[in-house]
Amino acid sequence: EIVLTQSPGTLSLSPGERATLSCRASQSVSSTYLAWYQQKPGQAPRLLIYAASSRATGIPDRFSGSGSGTDFTLTISRLEPEDFAVYYCQQYGNSPMYSFGQGTKLEIK
Amino acid sequence: QLQLQESGPGLVKPSETLSLICTVSGGSISSSSYYWGWIRQPPGKGLEWMGSIYYSGSTYYNPSLKSRVTILVDTSKKQVSLKLSSVTAADTAVYYCARLKYSPGNYAMDVWGQGTTVTVSS
Repeated sequence: EIVLTQSPGTLSLSPGERATLSCRASQSVSSTYLAWYQQKPGQAPRLLIYAASSRATGIPDRFSGSGSGTDFTLTISRLEPEDFAVYYCQQYGNSPMYSFGQGTKLEIK
Repeated sequence: QLQLQESGPGLVKPSETLSLICTVSGGSISSSSYYWGWIRQPPGKGLEWMGSIYYSGSTYYNPSLKSRVTILVDTSKKQVSLKLSSVTAADTAVYYCARLKYSPGNYAMDVWGQGTTVTVSS
């Protein structure tokens, strides 16, 4: 079973700053199978990034993903007020077929 | 555009079976490029994939739930159903229906329903 570990658990930053969120897998994950989601309170998750680095439809270009193997990163280049939320990474392909990291809460400093 | 809507009882008694339906609108449920899945989120916790189904009826389940979960598809009604048996308080969660892209280069959950809250309590 692949376990995804996200760090930090909470990230406190100010609007305009750069955010770097990490997702580490317990085994190698194909970059094709790694996605990132944003979830705001009371809302469903929203797909941000698929295949580790491809932005989903309608996602601003301040969001970018990178990484390979066991280490993946979501970067928000310049934080907007609406970006403060919880972010999850997710892998496909290894039992269980889909699994999520525990989440990183991005909060306003 | 494609929308997913979950529906079902908000309260289920312990040991009973939780039953939910996801209705697909604004698009096809029979596309070869997608699975349909259920994901749940206990209060204040993270996301757990429960299982997925193809329009043909082929299913995959989370091993941690496999003995209790059944997912079915009704293409004529454009609905995906979830049944979870022998529920306990630990099954209290928001239950989401999602479309799961299944094509080379993209295996993400690209459309989500708004979610429905289910509480297990007597």
